[in-house]
Amino acid sequence: QKEVEQNSGPLSVPEGAIASLNCTYSDRGSQSFFWYRQYSGKSPELIMFIYSNGDKEDGRFTAQLNKASQYVSLLIRDSQPSDSATYLCAVGVNTGGFKTIFGAGTRLFVKA
Amino acid sequence: DVKVTQSSRYLVKRTGEKVFLECVQDMDHENMFWYRQDPGLGLRLIYFSYDVKMKEKGDIPEGYSVSREKKERFSLILESASTNQTSMYLCASILGPTYEQYFGPGTRLTVT
Repeated sequence: QKEVEQNSGPLSVPEGAIASLNCTYSDRGSQSFFWYRQYSGKSPELIMFIYSNGDKEDGRFTAQLNKASQYVSLLIRDSQPSDSATYLCAVGVNTGGFKTIFGAGTRLFVKA
Repeated sequence: DVKVTQSSRYLVKRTGEKVFLECVQDMDHENMFWYRQDPGLGLRLIYFSYDVKMKEKGDIPEGYSVSREKKERFSLILESASTNQTSMYLCASILGPTYEQYFGPGTRLTVT
């Protein structure tokens, strides 16, 4: 079982719709949760982070965390063609040292 | 503005060559990471370092080594490049376990 799992997609939504991206993780000791956006040929950039159960909103983005279910999601409201990218879910774990485990990413296409 | 730089954006090397990839960060971060990213496999951790002269193996260290002589600089070394090391290589640094990773622009390495 992969430590961080995401549906690879592609997920296709029309412009203006809500895009919902999901992620599950296996390590119950995970402390921090991140969503990165990666455009083709570019490096990942952070768009959201969340540490506590519940919702966190930032502009058009909402991150949701449920530690009991080991589940984290990202909602993108009013999706725009410029949101078309691969979205990486990442989990911070402390294993004596610490490291970040990345999912393989979900490709999102927003159709104009 | 935080910055992680990598020595080359594109690199072409021949099989058997020794390859050096350098990464420099200006954020005074103690923790630095090297990943490779391949289609369908996501980001895979090669090596990481928590401090100067310290290094830890990641998930796929075979065929690689690293050097951290100064806090700001973390080098990845391919001792004898092989075609299966053709990939995008990403360097990142992080302030602490609950903080985001800052990525460099990436080096696309082709081994022929």
